This record gives sequence, C-alpha cells and structure tokens, in this order.
Amino acid sequence: GAVVSQHPSWVICKSGTSVKIECRSLDFQATTMFWYRQFPKQSLMLMATSNEGSKATYEQGVEKDKFLINHASLTLSTLTVTSAHPEDSSFYICSVKSSGTGIGQPQHFGDGTRLSIL
Amino acid sequence: KNQVEQSPQSLIILEGKNCTLQCNYTVSPFSNLRWYKQDTGRGPVSLTIMTFSENTKSNGRYTATLDADTKQSSLHITASQLSDSASYICVVSRGDYKLSFGAGTTVTVRA
Repeated sequence: GAVVSQHPSWVICKSGTSVKIECRSLDFQATTMFWYRQFPKQSLMLMATSNEGSKATYEQGVEKDKFLINHASLTLSTLTVTSAHPEDSSFYICSVKSSGTGIGQPQHFGDGTRLSIL
Repeated sequence: KNQVEQSPQSLIILEGKNCTLQCNYTVSPFSNLRWYKQDTGRGPVSLTIMTFSENTKSNGRYTATLDADTKQSSLHITASQLSDSASYICVVSRGDYKLSFGAGTTVTVRA
C-alpha cells in the first residue's frame, strides 16, 4: 500500500490565491520530508527539505516566503504556495526519507499534486 | 557539476519485446543509484537501488546494471507489457539524501 499520501491530487485556482498541499507519512514517523517540483518533460527539482520541529531548508533560487513549509508533526508536512501565479503551475511531489538506516534506503514519493493557476 | 544524463529521451516498443535504457552520471561522491518508474500523473516508484559494490539487481522483469568505474547504469525491461508504459528515472544519491535526477526516458509499449 501507499507509504506517502499527498492531498489534493489536483488543484485549479485563480491567480493570487494561496494553495496548501499536504504530505502525510502513513507507515512511519518522518523527521525529514522533501518537496519537489516537476515541469513537463523535465526531471524533479528539489525545492526544500522539511524538518520536523524546525525551519525548512530551501534550495538556491526557491523563495521561502513564496513556498511556505510547515512540518508540525512527524507524519505531516505542508507546502503553501502563497499568492500563486500562472508560472507556479507545476507538478509538486513530496517524498519521505525511509525510517531505515544505511545508505541503500529508498525515498518514498507521494503521488503528486498538479497545480494549475489560471 | 552533479549531473545525470539519460538516453534515449523516449522510445516506443512492441508488447513482448525487450528494451534497455541508459544512464550516465557525474555525481560525486557516489552513494547509490536508483531507478524509479513514474506513471503519468503519479509519483515515482522505486524499482531498484544499487550501491557501489553492486553491479546488477533485478526486480521482476526489470534488471539494472551499474558500472561504477565508468559511471554508467542501464535498466533492461524484459518481455514488455502495456503497463510498462511510463517514464523511467535514474537517480543518483550523494549519500546525504541529496538526489540528482535524470530527466527520464519515456517508454511507450504498443500492442
């Protein structure tokens, strides 16, 4: 079954709206979650690393005031796209670092949220 | 620069046929290499993970190879099925959970 649940799966909204995306770890407690963005025909790009109980770490070029991340519990991280504009339209995917140790542990990805800003 | 290059960008094969996807990387240091399958509109699902010391790993009809010396990997799909139609992504980990993603190879299997 699914290890990571992402909600909603698809959002269409007007320009200027703020949109919240939830990422839940279903099988284990996750101190670290990752948020990615994927444009059509392109690879996933890491936006930020979400750390439970502390501030998220953003990748270079990602506006932290634009993409608000909250990781308030060990099973939930949220990404809020504030004042979204058409150029923010993309496929947003979260992933959870496996609870196991060792270098061969996979990341488990959610099914993504397709965000369309009109 | 940590890069992952995949080829071909896309391919079309007939059901039942085999195909091989390629991945070249320049990521350093190297921790492990993963192949993911991503169906349209879904998140990636892990197929295989290989560490430095592993040079082949299978998952059903999927077989991945790794040559850490030449920094090349391949994913071989045997006896393709319609459900194999997806994007296959090569991902290299530097060991700090920073992943470098390839752009993927889109495979279309036709009846």
